[in-house]
Amino acid sequence: DQQVKQNSPSLSVQEGRISILNCDYTNSMFDYFLWYKKYPAEGPTFLISISSIKDKNEDGRFTVFLNKSAKHLSLHIVPSQPGDSAVYFCAASRDSGGSNYKLTFGKGTLLTVNP
Amino acid sequence: DTGVSQDPRHKITKRGQNVTFRCDPISEHNRLYWYRQTLGQGPEFLTYFQNEAQLEKSRLLSDRFSAERPKGSFSTLEIQRTEQGDSAMYLCASSLEGQGRGTQYFGPGTRLLVL
Repeated sequence: DQQVKQNSPSLSVQEGRISILNCDYTNSMFDYFLWYKKYPAEGPTFLISISSIKDKNEDGRFTVFLNKSAKHLSLHIVPSQPGDSAVYFCAASRDSGGSNYKLTFGKGTLLTVNP
Repeated sequence: DTGVSQDPRHKITKRGQNVTFRCDPISEHNRLYWYRQTLGQGPEFLTYFQNEAQLEKSRLLSDRFSAERPKGSFSTLEIQRTEQGDSAMYLCASSLEGQGRGTQYFGPGTRLLVL
């Protein structure tokens, strides 16, 4: 059962335009969401996160939007740059009452930014 | 470089052999996670340590898998009697308690190929 879904395996955009990556989740207990970027042969790199008490978080060119009622979040990258080309993973965690905030990941979306 | 390190980066082994991977977390981080990533999938949680205590193991972690974190510093993940289905990228992540959820920072991973 895929609790975090990234339904677009790939996305291609032109340099300078906006990239929008989408993520849906099914587990209503998730209350913290993160985006990671992964280059080939490297581990995931943290990009940005959002708590369920917010609906938007911004960090430079990256903005994450959360729609709790729809169980949907999106990552906006503006403007997109060729160096942004990578696989982007959406991840979620929940507060289970202990200290383990294990992440549940989607399958990832390959973003290609064309010069 | 004070990031998470993993050794080896690549391991090729024959079915039935034992392998051991090492993870060195960011020095002040007391939380340590192991994940496994197979082709076309996002990382999947395997196990979690808080300091030296192993507090949770996923159902993915069969009896052939064992993880340790002596003295709450580095961690090892051993796979006994490897099977071809164990071929994957094994990722280690660490985070700091006291920073709320604590962002998980990933190492570069160990890619295992079982022939």
